[in-house]
Order: sequence, then C-alpha cells, then structure tokens
Amino acid sequence: GAVVSQHPSRVICKSGTSVKIECRSLDFQATTMFWYRQFPKQSLMLMATSNEGSKATYEQGVEKDKFLINHASLTLSTLTVTSAHPEDSSFYICSARSTPAGALNTGELFFGEGSRLTVL
Amino acid sequence: QKEVEQNSGPLSVPEGAIASLNCTYSDRVSQSFFWYRQYSGKSPELIMSIYSNGDKEDGRFTAQLNKASQYVSLLIRDSQPSDSATYLCAVYMYSGGGADGLTFGKGTHLIIQP
Repeated sequence: GAVVSQHPSRVICKSGTSVKIECRSLDFQATTMFWYRQFPKQSLMLMATSNEGSKATYEQGVEKDKFLINHASLTLSTLTVTSAHPEDSSFYICSARSTPAGALNTGELFFGEGSRLTVL
Repeated sequence: QKEVEQNSGPLSVPEGAIASLNCTYSDRVSQSFFWYRQYSGKSPELIMSIYSNGDKEDGRFTAQLNKASQYVSLLIRDSQPSDSATYLCAVYMYSGGGADGLTFGKGTHLIIQP
C-alpha cells in the first residue's frame, strides 16, 4: 500500500509553546490529507481536511486558529498546534488516499505513524 | 446521524482459535468497508477492505459483508498473540460521513491468550 510518513513521532513541550507536525506522502501525490486526534481508549476523531493549495476545512468544534494546517505541496501537509496546553496532549495522526488517475475512489485511507504530543 | 457500532470488548480468544469481530452500520448507502488494526500507541494499519456482499479472504483474515443486514465482520483464523490489538471498523460513503467520507467505529479490543 501507499506510504505516509509522519514526524516527529513523539514531542514533549512546555505549555504555551507551538509544535509543528509534518505529514508526507512518500510514493504518491496527495491533493487531500486528513488530520485526526485520538485520546486514550477513544476512536479517531477527524479534525480537518488539508487541501493542497487552499485553506483547510475544519470539523465542527476544532479551532482553526489553534490548529494551523498548511498543505504547501502535493506530498506535504503540516499541523501546527499553537500555544499548546496540557489538554492538547493527544495522539495526532495524518492520513491520505492514493487514487490512480481515472480510478474509482474506494475510500481506502493510509495512515502516518502518528505523533504523540505531551504538553507539560 | 451515520453510525458504526462495534462491541468495545475486550474480546478474549485462546491462541489458535477463530476470533470473530462484528460491526454494524446505520446507513444503507455505505459503499466501502474497511478493517484497521491498531496496536497500542500506534496508528491504524489497513488489513482488509471489502466492497461487495459475501466473503473476502486474505491469509488468515476473512471479511464478510451483508449489506441487507448492514453488518460487516472480520474473522481471524489460527489466532496468534500478535493479533492482540484494537480492530477498527470503518465505513465509507462517497457523500456523507466525515469530510474524509469515513465513519469509524470505536474499535474492539481483542486479546489472544497464549
């Protein structure tokens, strides 16, 4: 399957600082990437859809000024958690689809390795 | 409200036995169905996809889809301790669901007992 790489895998920061997480599609171009958050023993919660060359689309209840998303190229999307607080501590995961040109989108998603954020 | 329901478990199965994981979904127009395996502290890994009614086999894994009854299941034969993980059921619709079109269940925690 397609490969999605995410970095860093773990980050610990002080309250009030900003943290950037990168998501790369390694062997395909992704016009759309998705960012999720997962709290312990909970399922994946979609935060936002990252669109190459345009503004991200945020899910209801997700603060767009706090979670800045940039999709500068077809292979890279970044999530910046600004002024992080302890309640932002979570597992953040990106994903993307690889759909060959002309093929039907079956909905299959490939996930990055995830980034565990701990805010002290 | 489109929903995907799974029994959270834990589901405990002896090593070598068949593990059966079930998932029901609420929306009849759902078109694609996926099973993801997630180890603790790791991101989900796609293990099976199924798009039409019936069974689909891949190694020790068999996915079963029944659109009339709106359920999809995953069977794991010859269960191994390394199969212990949380299994997420995901349902895809070309329109609806989240922006990614996917609706995830909360997952079933499977424990394979040596």
